[in-house]
Amino acid sequence: DTGVSQNPRHKITKRGQNVTFRCDPISEHNRLYWYRQTLGQGPEFLTYFQNEAQLEKSRLLSDRFSAERPKGSFSTLEIQRTEQGDSAMYLCASDPDRGADEQFFGPGTRLTVL
Amino acid sequence: AQSVSQHNHHVILSEAASLELGCNYSYGGTVNLFWYVQYPGQHLQLLLKYFSGDPLVKGIKGFEAEFIKSKFSFNLRKPSVQWSDTAEYFCAVSTHNTNAGKSTFGDGTTLTVKP
Repeated sequence: DTGVSQNPRHKITKRGQNVTFRCDPISEHNRLYWYRQTLGQGPEFLTYFQNEAQLEKSRLLSDRFSAERPKGSFSTLEIQRTEQGDSAMYLCASDPDRGADEQFFGPGTRLTVL
Repeated sequence: AQSVSQHNHHVILSEAASLELGCNYSYGGTVNLFWYVQYPGQHLQLLLKYFSGDPLVKGIKGFEAEFIKSKFSFNLRKPSVQWSDTAEYFCAVSTHNTNAGKSTFGDGTTLTVKP
């Protein structure tokens, strides 16, 4: 399968713990995006990378959130000191940066903070 | 900042009924428009997209959408739905004014098709 993959698929943690998610985009895709989706809402943009450079961050991305894409391939999203309000589906998407492209989404990581 | 509004939160239809899902966006510049679908237990996938040219675009599985610039709308249609169309449908918009392809999504419409 050459689509976008995300790990883990599910994560249950206790409030105050740190969690890290991984996204592997489609191999030739330069751009990588993180979104968050809560029940009854559409995906909300968090941040995006062009190769290894993080070019934009949403106001939704508090100081407890950090994302990296060190070699321009896979990306990680870390949430420190998790709160119950962080419970959501975290989606990763990629596109090949050819000007006007749709994004290809991964299956998401569902985070539950107890 | 752009926003997307999907008017129908939940639509229930019988098989063979016609479908129209509303989508309106707010943004004054040039936009790219998308409809994504999420089948139960699966990830988001593209249904169709509009970038330029013919405002009537056709997608997979018999879906089509019409971009009406004057109404800031991009409604999704299908003449005859099937049980397998049961899914959640998201309208999304991205803008031409940046190099980023990030999209703004509506809150989705859940379609239930009764056999």
